[in-house]
Amino acid sequence: EAQVTQNPRYLITVTGKKLTVTCSQNMNHEYMSWYRQDPGLGLRQIYYSMNVEVTDKGDVPEGYKVSRKEKRNFPLILESPSPNQTSLYFCASSLSGGRDPGELFFGEGSRLTVL
Amino acid sequence: DQQVKQNSPSLSVQEGRISILNCDYTNSMFDYFLWYKKYPAEGPTFLISISSIKDKNEDGRFTVFLNKSAKHLSLHIVPSQPGDSAVYFCAAAIQGAQKLVFGQGTRLTINP
Repeated sequence: EAQVTQNPRYLITVTGKKLTVTCSQNMNHEYMSWYRQDPGLGLRQIYYSMNVEVTDKGDVPEGYKVSRKEKRNFPLILESPSPNQTSLYFCASSLSGGRDPGELFFGEGSRLTVL
Repeated sequence: DQQVKQNSPSLSVQEGRISILNCDYTNSMFDYFLWYKKYPAEGPTFLISISSIKDKNEDGRFTVFLNKSAKHLSLHIVPSQPGDSAVYFCAAAIQGAQKLVFGQGTRLTINP
């Protein structure tokens, strides 16, 4: 089954404790991206990657890091989480390779709470 | 700077009637528009798209209309069904620019 898998789905952590949200897709997609969803703000892009070893900032990259060492994986790293990073996070992938946005396939989301 | 706006946070419609969800954008460079549907505890799923060279695209009960001069698009669902109850996001893109800009979302509730 074609899917984008995120882990963990739910996480409560404390300020400053480094965490990683993993994302894996099994569709051989070139393009992957991270979004956060906040009330009244919709989905905002954090980082995206057009292919292995190619990443770039989205609209709200502050406080986040990403890496793309393999085509299927695109982890989101919060080096020192803060309460304003409490949010619902979505990973997404697309076949288009970044030439066009195309149809994004989303994971089920990871709800993060930073105390 | 919200480039894509969905000004109605929620909409309630009777089953069998038409649902109309609206979306406005400010960037005239956008040339590709999409609608996504999101159920609770799930990720958004692609619903329908339209290129700026068209003013209408249909897929079954779903039709998207694009008015470029007004920088406005709308999603029509006819007839509305209880399973259509979800949050709907519109998104806009510049082809080749590798990103989608999403609106805030509209929660649609279909009442039996």
